[in-house]
Order: sequence, then structure tokens, then C-alpha cells
Amino acid sequence: GQNIDQPTEMTATEGAIVQINCTYQTSGFNGLFWYQQHAGEAPTFLSYNVLDGLEEKGRFSSFLSRSKGYSYLLLKELQMKDSASYLCASYSGNTPLVFGKGTRLSVIA
Amino acid sequence: EAQVTQNPRYLITVTGKKLTVTCSQNMNHEYMSWYRQDPGLGLRQIYYSMNVEVTDKGDVPEGYKVSRKEKRNFPLILESPSPNQTSLYFCASRDSYEQYFGPGTRLTVT
Repeated sequence: GQNIDQPTEMTATEGAIVQINCTYQTSGFNGLFWYQQHAGEAPTFLSYNVLDGLEEKGRFSSFLSRSKGYSYLLLKELQMKDSASYLCASYSGNTPLVFGKGTRLSVIA
Repeated sequence: EAQVTQNPRYLITVTGKKLTVTCSQNMNHEYMSWYRQDPGLGLRQIYYSMNVEVTDKGDVPEGYKVSRKEKRNFPLILESPSPNQTSLYFCASRDSYEQYFGPGTRLTVT
């Protein structure tokens, strides 16, 4: 499978902005997903990037650079409920998604 | 409502007692997958299926079986469960743009 790398843990302050990075292997790459997962629950879809650039959805934005094999998830105006794991996953055509190990984000007051 | 369902949600069993975790989706998706999730290891693929009667091994298939006789159903079978299969299991189905997860099955094998 493809190697997906993302930081294991991050901490940020309520109201601040945090950027979670993800790198992936570019061979056969089609698109990049971001999921949010609260402890013990199923992952929920946040974004899907196919083309280079930034896509914004409310407080969350996701960026992709296909040539660099790099993506990031940007969370603005952090809230306590944003404390969760954030999973980066690559999509390479007719195969299931390949997930990174996730970044555990802690939002502190 | 588009959804993936799994049953049971929680199961405690003993070593060697065969069990099946069911998975069903109502979105007519061709692709379905099973994952297990363990602390520090993230989501790891067990098996996946690209269509009816087409299944393939993921990263950690040992000790598991699957079948895909109908498009909507993709059960996970543990013929002889062992304690190292204690984990949180997720079924998922996918179209081109999004993967939908079931609610998860927390399995404990003693």
C-alpha cells in the first residue's frame, strides 16, 4: 500500500488556527480525503481534493499539491468539539482508500 | 437515508468460537471494505471487494474470511477467533467521491 505520513499528535488553543499536514506517495494517485473521527466512533467525511489548490468549507479548508504529494487540513476558529483524530487517506483508482494513522488533535482552553 | 449498517455493535466471545459480523449498505455501491482499528496503528484494511463475487486481501487478512454474494452485503467471518483479533471493526462502502463507514463493531475475544 501507499505510505501516508501525518503527525501523531497536535495541540492547539480554542479560537486559534491549526494546520495538519499529510504526505503521500504520488504513484497512481487520484485524490485525497480527510476524515474526522471522535474516539470510539466511525470516521466522518470532511473533504475530497482531486485538483491542486485550496477548497474551503466553513471553518475547515483542505489543500492539495499533486506534484509534491502533499496536503493539509486547516481548521479555523477552533472549538473544543474539534478535539478528535483527523485521518488523511489517498485514493488510487480501483482500490480502497489507504489511510494514514491519524493525527490526534487536542483543543485546549 | 444513505447508510452502512453493521451488526452486532458489541460482541464479547471466547477463543475459537466462530462468529460473523454483518455489513449492509443501501447505496448500490460496488466497492466495500473491512477495516480494523487498533490504538497507535490506525485503520488497517482486512479485505475489500470491488463487486459481487470479487474479493481481495488487504493488509491484515490473516484469520478472516469474507464473502460478497449480493452487492449490498459484505459479511466478515472469523472462523476461529483469537485474542489478537480484539479490535474495533469498521465496514465501509464507497463511490468515486466518498467512503461511507458503518458505526463500528467492538469485538473482544477472551
